[in-house]
Amino acid sequence: DTGVSQNPRHKITKRGQNVTFRCDPISEHNRLYWYRQTLGQGPEFLTYFQNEAQLEKSRLLSDRFSAERPKGSFSTLEIQRTEQGDSAMYLCASSFLASEQYFGPGTRLTVT
Amino acid sequence: QKEVEQNSGPLSVPEGAIASLNCTYSDRGSQSFFWYRQYSGKSPELIMFIYSNGDKEDGRFTAQLNKASQYVSLLIRDSQPSDSATYLCAVNMDTGNQFYFGTGTSLTVIP
Repeated sequence: DTGVSQNPRHKITKRGQNVTFRCDPISEHNRLYWYRQTLGQGPEFLTYFQNEAQLEKSRLLSDRFSAERPKGSFSTLEIQRTEQGDSAMYLCASSFLASEQYFGPGTRLTVT
Repeated sequence: QKEVEQNSGPLSVPEGAIASLNCTYSDRGSQSFFWYRQYSGKSPELIMFIYSNGDKEDGRFTAQLNKASQYVSLLIRDSQPSDSATYLCAVNMDTGNQFYFGTGTSLTVIP
C-alpha cells in the first residue's frame, strides 16, 4: 500500500502529557499537511511542509504544537502539555505541489 | 464570512435518484476545487477535482464549477446507499498554499 500512513491510529493521554504523532506521505509527494478535525467540522489547517521546509503555520496554532519534517520524508506533530480541547482527529495529507491532497487514516486523540 | 460554505444537511434522497450538493466560496481568485467523501469515523477520501469552469464527469459523479458566481457543486447520479456519507468541499485559494474546507453536507441515500 503506497498511500499516506499515520501512527498511532488512536491515542489516549492524560491532560498535561506530551504526545507525538507520525505521518508517512506518498513517496513522490513533496508537500505534507497537518489538519485537525472535530465532530461536525471540516478539517482545519494546522501547518504544511514543502520538502523539509515548514512554509506556513496557522495563526490559530498554539505554541504547544510543533511539527517537523527533518529529511523531507516523514513528519511528526508534537503537542506539549495537552489540554482537553486538543481532543480531535489529527489528519495528515500529502500532495505534489498544490495539486490534490490525499489523506491518511488519521490519529484520534483523546485527552482525559 | 467563512471561506467555504456548505449546507450541513442532512440531505436525504431515495436510492437511484440524483443527489445535488452545493458549495460557495469567498475568494474570487480561487484556482482549484475538490470534493471529498468522508464516512463516519474515517478520513476524507478524494472524489473529484475541477479547475476550469463547466462540468467534469467521472462515472456517476459530476462536478460543476461557476467561478463568476463562486460556487461549485457535485451531482451524484443513481445514488446508492453506499454513497451515504458527509461530503466535504475544499478550495485552494489564490496563494495555492492552503486548502479551505467547508463543514460538509451529510447525505443519506434511502433504500
